[in-house]
Parts: sequence; structure tokens; C-alpha cells
Amino acid sequence: TQLLEQSPQFLSIQEGENLTVYCNSSSVFSSLQWYRQEPGEGPVLLVTVVTGGEVKKLKRLTFQFGDARKDSSLHITAAQPGDTGLYLCAGLTGANNLFFGTGTRLTVIP
Amino acid sequence: DSGVTQTPKHLITATGQRVTLRCSPRSGDLSVYWYQQSLDQGLQFLIQYYNGEERAKGNILERFSAQQFPDLHSELNLSSLELGDSALYFCASSVDWGVYEQYFGPGTRLTVT
Repeated sequence: TQLLEQSPQFLSIQEGENLTVYCNSSSVFSSLQWYRQEPGEGPVLLVTVVTGGEVKKLKRLTFQFGDARKDSSLHITAAQPGDTGLYLCAGLTGANNLFFGTGTRLTVIP
Repeated sequence: DSGVTQTPKHLITATGQRVTLRCSPRSGDLSVYWYQQSLDQGLQFLIQYYNGEERAKGNILERFSAQQFPDLHSELNLSSLELGDSALYFCASSVDWGVYEQYFGPGTRLTVT
């Protein structure tokens, strides 16, 4: 079973601060996705990164895929209360299985 | 709203019982995926169906089974339920067999007492 470890597990910050969430594995993935999940709802896809070293920006969110395609990071600039939620990374294997990370629960305090 | 619907939203049942969870994919999507989310195990992939055929299998117990019908809706059957089966069960759908872009439903919360 491919294991995707996310850190930190919990993060509580003030509005306006910056933060980085990490997703690490010993396995290589063909692509990696980031999702955000709010209470009572299903995960919503934020981004998919495919190429090692790839960087994608989505407004205040910056996603990076590691050169070896084993790890990824999510950086949020000037966090807002609307960013609060559970952030999940998910790695796609060559066998077309999607393995989800352990999750980072972010709280942004107004 | 992702366009994926799941029923029921909540389900409470006793150990040893059998339940059926239902999922309707987004219009035009041919693939359906089932996931289990629990506090200690996180989000785990169970099984995928594509256009009525089983496509991929994850950590699905033998007590669990699924199928996808000609109208593309899917059902997940959970039998001989145990306390540890209490979890959120999500269905997701995508256009093709690849998991490149999945859309998740709101989930069914199952409580086994």
C-alpha cells in the first residue's frame, strides 16, 4: 500500500499569514492531486500536477510536484477564513489507483 | 454542487445487518468510484466501475460488493456489518476510465451500533 504522509496534521493560523503543507511518500506517482474537503461534503479537486518539478498556481495557492515525483507541497499566501478545511493530497499510480494522504486540517482565524 | 448524488445521507443500523448505498454519477460520466473515509484510516479507495464493468479494486472487504447498472448508477452493498464499518462512504465519478478528474458526491454517513 502506497503511503502518503502529510504534515502538519493540524494547522491553526491567523488571517493574512502564509503556510505550507507537505505531502511525502517513498513511492513514485504518475501524477498527484490536491483536494479540499469541507465538513459534510465530499473532497473537491484543486489541482493535478503531472511532471516532476512542475509548479502550478491557483490564485493564492501554489502547488509543486517534487522532481522525483514522490512528494508535493501546497503553499497558501495571505490565508483567509475561506481557506479553512481539510486538505488532501492524492497520488495516482500506474495501475490507475488513487491513494489519498493522511490529510491536513487547516483553520484560519479571522 | 458536483452533480454526483448519493442516497441516503445518513444511515444507522445494527451489527450483522446489510445495507445498500446508492450513487448517481454526473451526467455523461461513465466511471464510478467508491471510497470509505474513517477517522483512523483516512480516505480509502474501495472499487471502480467503468461503463458497467469492474475496472479497479482497492481495499474492499469481501463483505462489501458493488455494481454499476445500465443507467450508470451504482450501488455499494455492505453486509454482516461491524462497528468498524462506521464511516463516511463517498462516491465519485469521472468521464473516462482514468481517475484524472473525479467529482465527489456529498457522501453517506453510516453508523453501525
